[in-house]
Order: sequence, then structure tokens, then C-alpha cells
Amino acid sequence: DAGVIQSPRHEVTEMGQEVTLRCKPISGHDYLFWYRQTMMRGLELLIYFNNNVPIDDSGMPEDRFSAKMPNASFSTLKIQPSEPRDSAVYFCASGTVSGSSNTGELFFGEGSRLTVL
Amino acid sequence: GENVEQHPSTLSVQEGDSAVIKCTYSDSASNYFPWYKQELGKGPQLIIDIRSNVGEKKDQRIAVTLNKTAKHFSLHITETQPEDSAVYFCAARAYTGRRALTFGSGTRLQVQP
Repeated sequence: DAGVIQSPRHEVTEMGQEVTLRCKPISGHDYLFWYRQTMMRGLELLIYFNNNVPIDDSGMPEDRFSAKMPNASFSTLKIQPSEPRDSAVYFCASGTVSGSSNTGELFFGEGSRLTVL
Repeated sequence: GENVEQHPSTLSVQEGDSAVIKCTYSDSASNYFPWYKQELGKGPQLIIDIRSNVGEKKDQRIAVTLNKTAKHFSLHITETQPEDSAVYFCAARAYTGRRALTFGSGTRLQVQP
């Protein structure tokens, strides 16, 4: 498998524009996570899905952020309108979590670096 | 919710020396503790993990120890090499409820040749 695939790798946009980040998880994984990485806040969870259903979106900063997973092989994270403080690296990760042992590796994509001017 | 604290934020060692990174967690329900390594321009990658029914786990030059009573766990890297230079993250996950990992703030390890 090619691993988790994210696009675009880099995005530079102006404040107020809509941004859409895309993720293709590893086939067979039933969990998908969106994390945001900044120097100040480190790796913070935005939202995660189980079997395409959003389970916990408590990390989504505000209504400007939305995420969808229309099928098992695709997810999007949308920011509308974007603001300079949204500048960060956004990671998508997929994996399986064993219910009994609670183990399960997360496989991260290479990230989408967003710069909002 | 879970809170994971990680120290130090930066660590510089000479090649061949050992490096130790420490983390504490707050949720007593957490029972899975992985460590991830992030190289420049890449996503984090799992290097070792430990469950709460085990006190120590080793894999070649890396080891992780866990003290459930004190709620802290540590990563030990022996005989460090320049390719060990990266950012290391500890994480925790509870056996019930949220299935997402909560990450520490990261440690930037620099191994000087």
C-alpha cells in the first residue's frame, strides 16, 4: 500500500478564501484522524471518524472548520473562510484500534502545510 | 480529558551517548502509550509502544518504561546515532471512550557527531 496520501502538500492562500485538504487513508483501516500541528500547540486532534462516521469533533476550532468522510477511501477537511491563525501543518492519519487491547498503530500522511496570508 | 506533558523540549547529546525523554499523563484510564518519531517534512511514525500491563519494553537500542502508579513513562535511546536526530512525541490513549491519541508537546533530539 502507498500509505496515507494527503493533498495538497503545500497551500498558500489569502485570508477569507476557502481551503480544502484531502486525505486517502490506507485501505482496510476503520479509523481516520485529522490532527493539526503548530509550534505553539503541538499535535492537536481536530476530529476523528470510525467507519466513515464522525465520532469526536470537539477539537474543531470553530464553525469555519468542517470535515467529511463520504466513503472509506476519502476524507476532506475544509476551512471557510480561512484566517492567518489557521496556518499550520494538517495531518491525516488512519489505523485500526483493537477494542480489547486498545493497541493499534496510527499511520500518518506527510501533511498539508497551509499558509494563510 | 487526557493531558500529556513531555520533557525536555530540546535535547542535545553526543553520538554514542544515551538520551532519555520523559512524559506524564493525567487520565488513570489510559493504558496504551506509544512513541512516535517525526523527521523533517514527514509525518510522525511509530517507533515503540507499551501497554499498561507491562513495565518495560525493548527493541534494539530503544526502550520504554512505564510507572502506572506515578503516571509517567519514558523513552530511552542508547548508543545514539546522527540518524536518531528528530522530534519525538509521546502519546496516551484510554481503553474506553475516545479512540484518538493525546500527544505530548514533543522533544527535539539533536545527536552531535
